[in-house]
Amino acid sequence: DAGVTQSPTHLIKTRGQQVTLRCSPKSGHDTVSWYQQALGQGPQFIFQYYEEEERQRGNFPDRFSGHQFPNYSSELNVNALLLGDSALYLCASSPLKRRARGDTQYFGPGTRLTVL
Amino acid sequence: AQSVTQPDIHITVSEGASLELRCNYSYGATPYLFWYVQSPGQGLQLLLKYFSGDTLVQGIKGFEAEFKRSQSSFNLRKPSVHWSDAAEYFCAVGAMGSGNTGKLIFGQGTTLQVKP
Repeated sequence: DAGVTQSPTHLIKTRGQQVTLRCSPKSGHDTVSWYQQALGQGPQFIFQYYEEEERQRGNFPDRFSGHQFPNYSSELNVNALLLGDSALYLCASSPLKRRARGDTQYFGPGTRLTVL
Repeated sequence: AQSVTQPDIHITVSEGASLELRCNYSYGATPYLFWYVQSPGQGLQLLLKYFSGDTLVQGIKGFEAEFKRSQSSFNLRKPSVHWSDAAEYFCAVGAMGSGNTGKLIFGQGTTLQVKP
């Protein structure tokens, strides 16, 4: 059973560029959450998707946007990159049917984004 | 406001010694609590979780944690540390209810170093 997968593993961009990160949830999961983890910090919640809609959003600007596809996979897009966007971006998935109980989120290995 | 505090940024213990990592949370309702571990360059792996019931929970790799509502704490313990336990440890609370759909709020993490 494949866990949460993310691509690419590493990415280097320059300021002002745009980037797209991808995530495939664990089998049987339909909810995807994205987190940003700056160096030496704990992960910060960006947003969560299920049923192809953004359901909840953290304190991130509109430069951060996302999408969820019918197969539950998801993309995170960041426009007009800033140096401060350099971080590890983590995707987590969880199952729909137990969401009300705050079921466990399973994390992927992350995408390391470096903005120069 | 919901928050998680891990008072110890860095802890060093000798192999075979006992370990306790502290976690304090601030949350208005019954919390869902988690401990995750992150090895260098890796994603987050769930160690254990508390939703309800028995306040002492067992996890993987010989870890356990105790929920103490009166102290707003969820400390992680292990009786005998192995060199492979060296990693970053994150405590998290799951935000539920009132529009929240289980987003995780993380502490800043505790880096565990194990001396031979």
